[in-house]
Amino acid sequence: GENVEQHPSTLSVQEGDSAVIKCTYSDSASNYFPWYKQELGKRPQLIIDIRSNVGEKKDQRIAVTLNKTAKHFSLHITETQPEDSAVYFCALTIRGAQKLVFGQGTRLTINP
Amino acid sequence: GAGVSQSPSNKVTEKGKDVELRCDPISGHTALYWYRQSLGQGLEFLIYFQGNSAPDKSGLPSDRFSAERTGGSVSTLTIQRTQQEDSAVYLCASRIRVQAFFGQGTRLTVV
Repeated sequence: GENVEQHPSTLSVQEGDSAVIKCTYSDSASNYFPWYKQELGKRPQLIIDIRSNVGEKKDQRIAVTLNKTAKHFSLHITETQPEDSAVYFCALTIRGAQKLVFGQGTRLTINP
Repeated sequence: GAGVSQSPSNKVTEKGKDVELRCDPISGHTALYWYRQSLGQGLEFLIYFQGNSAPDKSGLPSDRFSAERTGGSVSTLTIQRTQQEDSAVYLCASRIRVQAFFGQGTRLTVV
């Protein structure tokens, strides 16, 4: 069945450093991998996504990489800023099922 | 509409009462999801609607929970005989093709 494990659960980095969050999954039919950012008291917002036919996608300071063989995908944030502090969720859908399954979340704190 | 809209934003109810939560998806979005988020926790899948297909109800925690989507647009999540453990933020998301967008949620407090 669908399962996605997200690590770490908390991450603290110095402002300007990079942050990496990783998710692993079990179903090889997974075909879409979005990342959401949720600030305190707000709704989750889609920040970047990748499909299974692409290995990497970048949007300014954020990037997502996908390794289909190893069944993991990662979010990379470079030159972190205080406004990057939030909870980040990975998610996936499985071809044919379309249910959007989320990881457990990573609380990212950027220290000034 | 500009985005997914949920109402009410906040709901306080007495234990044992029924509540209805409403979700207005983005116009034209064929898929709609409900999730529950307890304080400081992740997103717990509840139910998923896709067009005219039978909904995926596999995440509903008990038979006190039900949802419907009328006319392929507005959805209502109903919780009967509410319990204190039902207190959480209930989030709705709608989707077209692959990208899903969330509403602001309904914060439910059962006292």
